[in-house]
Amino acid sequence: QVRLVESGGGVVQPGRSLRLSCSVSGLTFTNFGFHWVRQAPGKGLEWVAMIWHNGSKKYYADSVRGRATISRDDSTDTVYLQMNSLRAEDTATYFCGKDMGAGYVDSWGQGTLVTVSS
Amino acid sequence: EVVLTQSPATLSFSPGERATLSCRASQSISTYLAWYQQKPGQAPRLLIYESSIRATGIPARFSGSGSGTDFTLTISSLDPEDFGVYYCQDRSTWPLTFGGGTRVEI
Repeated sequence: QVRLVESGGGVVQPGRSLRLSCSVSGLTFTNFGFHWVRQAPGKGLEWVAMIWHNGSKKYYADSVRGRATISRDDSTDTVYLQMNSLRAEDTATYFCGKDMGAGYVDSWGQGTLVTVSS
Repeated sequence: EVVLTQSPATLSFSPGERATLSCRASQSISTYLAWYQQKPGQAPRLLIYESSIRATGIPARFSGSGSGTDFTLTISSLDPEDFGVYYCQDRSTWPLTFGGGTRVEI
């Protein structure tokens, strides 16, 4: 079955950088796009970024545009989210998700927690 | 950016009751709307997409309707396992957006 496993979260100081990884298995990786969605503690879902199946297009939320870069490595079936200039408001659980081909997420990882604090 | 407004924030029901959740878009989004369920400590689960199509494995008691700016998720007969927070999500334009969620208490 489809499995997505996020890693790379942790505690980071404001202004620093972090790279999140999402390892994908159980599907033909190059057939699908992927999303990052985050959830601040006790809050709702916030869509963050999406990369097309072939990596040709990338989209970002206004809150992270210019600070975040989504990428993919088709040789290792891994999706990345590079976050720079981290702020306290970036503190959240970050979920990786598979796009079903229409801008919806039909498979999710368990999430990785990022805490931005001095 | 499309703003999705879900109301009310919390609903309380007894098992077997019918639940109707609302999601309103700030502009017309055709039928480009999905519904997700999230339980505490878990990732969200896709229930409905394109306003009314049930995702794989979703029980028939879940149904979606609406187009344009007003959408509804209906749970025909609530099961105790249906508690959680329900989010709507728009895919009509970038950036994608989620509603603020409706908590369903059993």
